[in-house]
Amino acid sequence: EAGVTQFPSHSVIEKGQTVTLRCDPISGHDNLYWYRRVMGKEIKFLLHFVKESKQDESGMPNNRFLAERTGGTYSTLKVQPAELEDSGVYFCASSQGQFWDTEAFFGQGTRLTVV
Amino acid sequence: DQQVKQNSPSLSVQEGRISILNCDYTNSMFDYFLWYKKYPAEGPTFLISISSIKDKNEDGRFTVFLNKSAKHLSLHIVPSQPGDSAVYFCAAKRDSNYQLIWGAGTKLIIKP
Repeated sequence: EAGVTQFPSHSVIEKGQTVTLRCDPISGHDNLYWYRRVMGKEIKFLLHFVKESKQDESGMPNNRFLAERTGGTYSTLKVQPAELEDSGVYFCASSQGQFWDTEAFFGQGTRLTVV
Repeated sequence: DQQVKQNSPSLSVQEGRISILNCDYTNSMFDYFLWYKKYPAEGPTFLISISSIKDKNEDGRFTVFLNKSAKHLSLHIVPSQPGDSAVYFCAAKRDSNYQLIWGAGTKLIIKP
């Protein structure tokens, strides 16, 4: 069974450009989460989908970030326009049930560098 | 304000010895704590967890201890193996909130 897949694995863009990150969760997982780790600091929650609905987007830093989850399957996270402080590793995770159980799985992350 | 703190950025331990990773938290409302392990270029993987109603949880070589009065938890790995070299994250949650609050991680290096 395929795990959580994120694409691209790396992205280098110039300040002001747009980048779209993609996450394919494990098939059948209703819950999908986006997290971000900036410069080796703590991992921070961005948002949580249940199927196609945004359950909690309180961690989204500002309106330059837009997340979608088409048909409750894959999700995209768009940053437009990108700023230098957006650099970091963006993780996606999915779970069928409660996140704090062993059911949650992370993707390998997308390393975003804004120059 | 960082609610979950891992004050040691790195830790070096001899193979076969005990590794002790520490984590402190400030929010007394946290009711569940988790440890994740992360290898380079990979996502975090769940390692072990503990509910706030317990003070110890053991799984093979891994034991997590929780001291609620001190708002402190620790992860013990015995014996340490080379494959344990990774970054370890402590995370916490409260109530039924799906958000996890993470520490900054501790890089564990197991020396042969």
